[in-house]
Amino acid sequence: ETGVTQTPRHLVMGMTNKKSLKCEQHLGHNAMYWYKQSAKKPLELMFVYNFKEQTENNSVPSRFSPECPNSSHLFLHLHTLQPEDSALYLCASSPSLSGNTIYFGEGSWLTVV
Amino acid sequence: GENVEQHPSTLSVQEGDSAVIKCTYSDSASNYFPWYKQELGKRPQLIIDIRSNVGEKKDQRIAVTLNKTAKHFSLHITETQPEDSAVYFCAASPGAGNMLTFGGGTRLMVKP
Repeated sequence: ETGVTQTPRHLVMGMTNKKSLKCEQHLGHNAMYWYKQSAKKPLELMFVYNFKEQTENNSVPSRFSPECPNSSHLFLHLHTLQPEDSALYLCASSPSLSGNTIYFGEGSWLTVV
Repeated sequence: GENVEQHPSTLSVQEGDSAVIKCTYSDSASNYFPWYKQELGKRPQLIIDIRSNVGEKKDQRIAVTLNKTAKHFSLHITETQPEDSAVYFCAASPGAGNMLTFGGGTRLMVKP
């Protein structure tokens, strides 16, 4: 088992809906990440949190809003998404930001209709 | 920042043949180079990694080589099997607070 769990695994939402993706890591790591994976960009970094503080926002549109209440949990709040936002959203964690392996969750498949 | 390029984007080999995937990086300070394998519908998983103080590392049928002077590293898979079919990602990290930068991925197909 990965140690990084994501829910839901599959989500279909309309463009006017508000939904959230949840990620939890049981590895005692201090850094957590959101990646978007699509055919166009295989592994696109979205957000990075280190010790609950956001350290990276990779020019992500404001319709994606991350939240990190503690080092073990990470959320991605979704609002008024576009069909092109349909993708696999991967959460990941690592012990720290420096030169460490990152461990991915199974991902949440998002379809925007 | 770091830029990682990965080639080829697709690779088809016959079962039993070897497969080689190459990556180049731009930041000479990079010192950690992992490789991830992502099977269809699954999450990327670490299969092997190397740090800049070694030139080669092996684990059964897979090996990674690093050329720091040329700033490139490669994944070698010998005696390929159908279950090796997946997308492989290389990555590089300069360390010291910097994150992994991933290459664009290589889709490996092993034909039985």
